[in-house]
This record gives sequence, structure tokens and C-alpha cells, in this order.
Amino acid sequence: GALVYQYPRRTICKSGTSMRMECQAVGFQATSVAWYRQSPQKTFELIALSTVNSAIKYEQNFTQEKFPISHPNLSFSSMTVLNAYLEDRGLYLCGARNIANSDYTFGSGTRLLVI
Amino acid sequence: QQQVRQSPQSLTVWEGETAILNCSYEDSTFNYFPWYQQFPGEGPALLISIRSVSDKKEDGRFTIFFNKREKKLSLHITDSQPGDSATYFCAASVGTQVVGQLTFGRGTRLQVYA
Repeated sequence: GALVYQYPRRTICKSGTSMRMECQAVGFQATSVAWYRQSPQKTFELIALSTVNSAIKYEQNFTQEKFPISHPNLSFSSMTVLNAYLEDRGLYLCGARNIANSDYTFGSGTRLLVI
Repeated sequence: QQQVRQSPQSLTVWEGETAILNCSYEDSTFNYFPWYQQFPGEGPALLISIRSVSDKKEDGRFTIFFNKREKKLSLHITDSQPGDSATYFCAASVGTQVVGQLTFGRGTRLQVYA
């Protein structure tokens, strides 16, 4: 079946430092990868939509300078949170869109704690 | 303005009962509506989805009823089980053959008591 692995599952970083998270699609080809942040209140914020061979589209309030994304092939994407601060805390979810049926499959997320 | 709304925020039912989770949306161009189930500590998992050309989609104990005119849909979980206890998210997207980015509601937290 279609699976998406995200790692690390949980990470703690000091305020002002950066951390990188990775997303791996297994068992299918992911034409697009959507990065979301889920707040402690459970709301989903779309950070950016990355489609292979296209420019990455960032949503309002999120920038490439803060959340650079790499999407080099149909199975892998990574995102870095630069200069993390308290407001960046949350569960970062990677959703990969299956080229076969176009549904989004999500990973278990990377939980970012900032101290 | 919230594009996708869900109600109730939380719902409690007894084992065997039918849980009804509601969702409404603003953007009339939305045409694809997946429901995701999320357990604590996990990412959301696709449960069932419907396209706007249909008014009903059934998969086992899970059924989506869709009313395009009123821009409303609901997820019915029949014969609810304690293992169904989770947060359910209604999402919406624009897309024909390819699903566009998903807009999520704030979720309904379902608790099923044995």
C-alpha cells in the first residue's frame, strides 16, 4: 500500500536554531507534496505545495526564506525550519499526492518543540 | 474566513449507535471532499472521500451524504465502536483528475463509549 514516512518523529531545538525534516513516499509515486503545520488546537495550516518540475508555491504567512523545501524526485521531499521560535511549534505533516489516484497520503508528522 | 466548517466540535456516542459528523463549506468551486481520521500522535489517514457529482458514498460502516445545493455534507458512522474514537477532519479541494491542495476543517473529536 501507499505509505509516507516522516522523520524525525519528534525533535527539540533551541530557539533561533534550525532543523530539517524529511518525507519519504513508499509504494507510490508522489507528484506533489503538501507541507502542513497542525497547531496544538488541531487546525491545519498549509505551508507550501511542491510539485516536481514546478515552482514551489508558498501560502501567505510562509516563505521560502523561513521554510525552504527540497523536492528532488517522486519519492522524497524535505523541509527546513530556519531560526525556529516558539510560534513555530507544532506537528509538521507531509502529504504526498499519489499519481495513480490523486489522493493525499499523510505521514505521522514531525513534532517540533522549541525551547 | 473559515472555508470549511465542522460541527460539532466534539461528539460522544455509545457503542452501536450512529455518529453523525457535519461539514459545510464556502467555496462553490470545491468538488472533492475527503474525510480523514486522526488518532493521537499520528498523522491523518484517509477514511473515505466523495466528489461533488455524487450525493452519497458508502464504505462499510462509513457513509458520506452530500448536498451540493446547501454546500453541506455529513459523515455517518454506523454501529460505532470504541476503536472509532478519534478526531475526524473534513477537507475540501478543487480538482478534476488531479486533486488540488486540501483545505481542512477544525475537526470533530469523537468518543465512543463501550
